[in-house]
Amino acid sequence: DAGVIQSPRHEVTEMGQEVTLRCKPISGHDYLFWYRQTMMRGLELLIYFNNNVPIDDSGMPEDRFSAKMPNASFSTLKIQPSEPRDSAVYFCASGPWGRQGNTIYFGEGSWLTVV
Amino acid sequence: AQKVTQAQTEISVVEKEDVTLDCVYETRDTTYYLFWYKQPPSGELVFLIRRNSFDEQNEISGRYSWNFQKSTSSFNFTITASQVVDSAVYFCALSEATGGFKTIFGAGTRLFVKA
Repeated sequence: DAGVIQSPRHEVTEMGQEVTLRCKPISGHDYLFWYRQTMMRGLELLIYFNNNVPIDDSGMPEDRFSAKMPNASFSTLKIQPSEPRDSAVYFCASGPWGRQGNTIYFGEGSWLTVV
Repeated sequence: AQKVTQAQTEISVVEKEDVTLDCVYETRDTTYYLFWYKQPPSGELVFLIRRNSFDEQNEISGRYSWNFQKSTSSFNFTITASQVVDSAVYFCALSEATGGFKTIFGAGTRLFVKA
């Protein structure tokens, strides 16, 4: 089975530009998560979805960040406008509710640099 | 609120030494799951093990072993006869059953294994 697929793997953008990160979860997984990893703050949970519905977005840093999940096989995390402090690795993860004991599986990450 | 503490920021050992990575957690739930993930230098997050709160049996998988003690709220990870390939950042994580599927991570422990 294919794992969680994220794109782009690397992105360099200028401050003020819009950034869209994409994620395809593992087929059959009910939950999808977006995490951000930085040296200063470690792995932070930004938002997670259950059956395409956002459950908890309390980790989204500010209104510049938004996430959608229009269907079971696709999610986006958008930053508009981007700022240098948004530079980080953004991970998408998915997991099957009720099976495998809440285990979540990660994509390879999207490395974002805002200059 | 759930919390995971990995007090060891970095550990350095020489190959073939045994090393234990500590993890202490906080939760008010009686049902929860604990995890260890490995992040090698390439950056991906790899699932290693899951334990649920009702199963305190220790587990061994090759050179890896895990010690779960509810009395001390700890879930420690031991690598026996460490190898250079074990060099990575290791994360402990917690997911509460009543928290939906929300999984939070500790700050991670960076392990250096020198040849």
